[in-house]
Amino acid sequence: DAKTTQPPSMDCAEGRAANLPCNHSTISGNEYVYWYRQIHSQGPQYIIHGLKNNETNEMASLIITEDRKSSTLILPHATLRDTAVYYCIVDYNNNDMRFGAGTRLTVKP
Amino acid sequence: DVKVTQSSRYLVKRTGEKVFLECVQDMDHENMFWYRQDPGLGLRLIYFSYDVKMKEKGDIPEGYSVSREKKERFSLILESASTNQTSMYLCASSFVVGGSYGYTFGSGTRLTVV
Repeated sequence: DAKTTQPPSMDCAEGRAANLPCNHSTISGNEYVYWYRQIHSQGPQYIIHGLKNNETNEMASLIITEDRKSSTLILPHATLRDTAVYYCIVDYNNNDMRFGAGTRLTVKP
Repeated sequence: DVKVTQSSRYLVKRTGEKVFLECVQDMDHENMFWYRQDPGLGLRLIYFSYDVKMKEKGDIPEGYSVSREKKERFSLILESASTNQTSMYLCASSFVVGGSYGYTFGSGTRLTVV
């Protein structure tokens, strides 16, 4: 079973920030939080990962709460091409990634 | 660009056929994985391998086997294809070290068993 909980769907207006939440209340101290996204008919694409600190790259920002029990993926200026299913996963050693149902993000004009 | 290449994008096979799905990665990754994805069920892990000739069962290994004779190649085998194995199959690879840059997925093979 996936160790994370995400809302099944979210909408976001084009150009606005998309904030996708994830709960991982049973996360262990050495487990990383990963985010992937899957655009229709393609394989999932890695977005970002983090352990304790907030992280930012060219695609997104990852905010992890101090107790590490939840995180938020932020797409700062969502575009129509960001419409996808977003998966939040916790994993320690890169060999046990279980994908849940994810959040279907729809970016609307 | 780093790549995971799956040999076929679409495949149609008959019930009872032996089916080979091939996956090759060029990143020198230790780990390789096979998932299947079905509507409403998400991605489910079939098998994974963390080294040559090593394999581990995932959540749904029944009806499948795998082969990893070389580091860069991981094959999924359907010994006797059945209609309930009609699905999208996704291969992925990764470094073994936790905290590395996650999995790289192939584009998928959509298998239809008739």
